[in-house]
Amino acid sequence: AQSVAQPEDQVNVAEGNPLTVKCTYSVSGNPYLFWYVQYPNRGLQFLLKYITGDNLVKGSYGFEAEFNKSQTSFHLKKPSALVSDSALYFCAVRALPTRNSGYSTLTFGKGTMLLVSP
Amino acid sequence: DAGVTQSPTHLIKTRGQHVTLRCSPISGHKSVSWYQQVLGQGPQFIFQYYEKEERGRGNFPDRFSARQFPNYSSELNVNALLLGDSALYLCASSWRQGAPEAFFGQGTRLTVV
Repeated sequence: AQSVAQPEDQVNVAEGNPLTVKCTYSVSGNPYLFWYVQYPNRGLQFLLKYITGDNLVKGSYGFEAEFNKSQTSFHLKKPSALVSDSALYFCAVRALPTRNSGYSTLTFGKGTMLLVSP
Repeated sequence: DAGVTQSPTHLIKTRGQHVTLRCSPISGHKSVSWYQQVLGQGPQFIFQYYEKEERGRGNFPDRFSARQFPNYSSELNVNALLLGDSALYLCASSWRQGAPEAFFGQGTRLTVV
């Protein structure tokens, strides 16, 4: 079974400072990893993904994430936070479909609330 | 291009009632998945449909059912509603079953009273 852990319920950072939102995962085989953002009363908005290749992935709105296979982590980062980045962030993992299952689904963490103060 | 659209955006139902939620995927996408997001939790997988067939089911009771139509839109049905079914129901579309990316709609907020 695959799982995702987001150890922080909330991350507080001042505008202009760098931010990191942590994520670790567990999956059989090679993972697809994702970050989504959710604003109040809205659906999930795709930020970035890791499929293969470079461990540093760049995504929307200046966000990036670093894949670390040995630590099974996929932390979300941004060099300079904005107040408008305040939202709920979800890390998700998808295992590659197997021949038996024929499908794979996204497993999400519980989410981390990011609060950026002016 | 329109993204994933879901209807209605909000609804309130009484315990024991039935509800139908609707989803239209992104044009060209053939796979639709449904997720339930309870307040304070991450989304939980309910169903996946591809080419009008159920391809995966999460750990949800038989009160939950779904189907996909020839135009790839989908319905999620929940019978005998319980208070615990109150949640944001999210639909996600992918262009094919094994595609890694999934694009989500804005969700339907269901409140059971």
